[in-house]
Amino acid sequence: AQKVTQAQTEISVVEKEDVTLDCVYETRDTTYYLFWYKQPPSGELVFLIRRNSFDEQNEISGRYSWNFQKSTSSFNFTITASQVVDSAVYFCALTAGSARQLTFGSGTQLTVLP
Amino acid sequence: EAQVTQNPRYLITVTGKKLTVTCSQNMNHEYMSWYRQDPGLGLRQIYYSMNVEVTDKGDVPEGYKVSRKEKRNFPLILESPSPNQTSLYFCASSLGTGLSGANVLTFGAGSRLTVL
Repeated sequence: AQKVTQAQTEISVVEKEDVTLDCVYETRDTTYYLFWYKQPPSGELVFLIRRNSFDEQNEISGRYSWNFQKSTSSFNFTITASQVVDSAVYFCALTAGSARQLTFGSGTQLTVLP
Repeated sequence: EAQVTQNPRYLITVTGKKLTVTCSQNMNHEYMSWYRQDPGLGLRQIYYSMNVEVTDKGDVPEGYKVSRKEKRNFPLILESPSPNQTSLYFCASSLGTGLSGANVLTFGAGSRLTVL
């Protein structure tokens, strides 16, 4: 069985603050992929990043960065200098083993206030 | 444009009236899947399909049916909808089905269903 936990239901920050969204996963498989998706107020789901279990390098893309730590089974997402347009629901997801299923966390609603 | 198209986008229906939500993709993807999104629960998988004529249950299949007669289409059928099926539904597809790194899902725009 695989599981993803996003303990932060809602986060509210003021524009230009840094914010970290937590993601903790569970799987018994040694090979797996982790994802982050963004769901803006318009409702569509947008792919942000995919990381496999053999690559623990942190990744930075503009104001976004991801910290993957196998020792704590975490794949956290940081937005630096947040902007109002970052307001969205963010989902962490996991696929492992037979990879027939992508398991999502419950999502974190991020609100960036002007 | 590469996309997943769902219809209808919005639907209000009554208990017991059969309905079908269509899903079509133009990317020649093998894998297709249906999810429902409910507040506080994230996205939960209903059914998925590895290829034509190959379908399997996800985490919450009760009350739903699917079919995959053509590669591009994966309709979701609610034979006798009930109020607990009121939800936001997403269809998604991906090129690969295994851990090849190819299984980034492309999602449709969503279908908001209300069952009275």
